[in-house]
Amino acid sequence: GDSVTQMEGPVTLSEEAFLTINCTYTATGYPSLFWYVQYPGEGLQLLLKATKADDKGSNKGFEATYRKETTSFHLEKGSVQVSDSAVYFCALSDRGGNEKLTFGTGTRLTIIP
Amino acid sequence: SAVISQKPSRDICQRGTSLTIQCQVDSQVTMMFWYRQQPGQSLTLIATANQGSEATYESGFVIDKFPISRPNLTFSTLTVSNMSPEDSSIYLCSVETSHEQYFGPGTRLTVT
Repeated sequence: GDSVTQMEGPVTLSEEAFLTINCTYTATGYPSLFWYVQYPGEGLQLLLKATKADDKGSNKGFEATYRKETTSFHLEKGSVQVSDSAVYFCALSDRGGNEKLTFGTGTRLTIIP
Repeated sequence: SAVISQKPSRDICQRGTSLTIQCQVDSQVTMMFWYRQQPGQSLTLIATANQGSEATYESGFVIDKFPISRPNLTFSTLTVSNMSPEDSSIYLCSVETSHEQYFGPGTRLTVT
């Protein structure tokens, strides 16, 4: 079945550091790929998405590129802020019409001033 | 996008009892989903609920334990039956629209 493998956390960085959170997937067919973010005390929010190979999703300074050849969707940000502290989830959606999401285990990110 | 509300936002329940969680969305949607997020873990899909048909449950989840209703295109309920401490989790509903899923704020359930 479909699966998502995500970088183990927690990750602690200093403000303005470069961020990469690795995500690889296993799926039959051509899934859509997502990054969701869960800020402390808040619900799950869609951060960005990509629906086909070589697509780049971007939002709030975060980027991720759908790499079919390496089955990856790594999340990056050039300069993190304290407000980026949250739990980040990589997920995929089976495009066979089901649309259910399969999530990775989540990566807790803490940014220190 | 979609705006989703859930009731209750949290509850503390005794083992052996049942709790019904409500999910309301501000627009008509075909597909609604119920997820569970156990403490410190990722989200796991419980079931998919389409209006007018029986819910489809994922492996490890059964209708007797998690009955779901979907009476119309904007509303669904999930009941957690005969609860045990292992059911302590955050329960989230989500809806799919334009190939994106939007999540409710969650219901934090503690079973004592």
